[in-house]
Amino acid sequence: DIQLTQSPSSLSASVGDRVTITCRASLRISSYLNWYQQRPGKAPKLLIYAAFVLQSGVPSRFSGSGSETDFTLTISSLQPEDFATYFCQQSYTSPFTFGPGTKVDIK
Amino acid sequence: QVQLVQSGSELKKPGASVKVSCKASGYSFSSYGMNWLRQAPGQGLEWMGWINTKTGNPTYAQGFTGRFVFSLDTSVSTAYLQINSLKTEDTAVYYCARPRAEGEYDEWGQGTLVTVSP
Repeated sequence: DIQLTQSPSSLSASVGDRVTITCRASLRISSYLNWYQQRPGKAPKLLIYAAFVLQSGVPSRFSGSGSETDFTLTISSLQPEDFATYFCQQSYTSPFTFGPGTKVDIK
Repeated sequence: QVQLVQSGSELKKPGASVKVSCKASGYSFSSYGMNWLRQAPGQGLEWMGWINTKTGNPTYAQGFTGRFVFSLDTSVSTAYLQINSLKTEDTAVYYCARPRAEGEYDEWGQGTLVTVSP
């Protein structure tokens, strides 16, 4: 199975901060990398697919980059509703594994 | 609009069975496979597998064979997850999810908490 690691595992930030989360894959996965946001008690929400494509309806402050093994999710200006846990997921090959998550909370 | 509505929380004893439903609306049910995912308390997400809604053929991820059963009732656009011989470690939130294309999930059910306790 392809393993995904995320860093950091958690971070504290303030409204307006620029936040960057990284995801590293154990094998080369081209651009088959997706990002989700999960708020407490809610289902995950797809933010970005294919490494950099913004899902419809997702604010443009979210962006993704990277390819093969190293990927980044960036929030350009953190908003109150962005405090949540973020997961990366590979859809290169089954089983479609997820990273362990990065919790973003309020400083 | 697309909706996936799951059945409510369940409290079961070890050894029992549970069946979770996921009713789809707002799209052609047989046009997308239905996937199932698990999230244990405070943990990450695990992909359990998927069911082909055209043929009914299920595919199970490693670790979810034997006790886990995916099924369909296409007449009511509903997918089911049955877990037999429940163990305490099955305690988790179970999600159904529809893929946008292949393995990225743009529509999710609200989740069903299954608690297994003696």
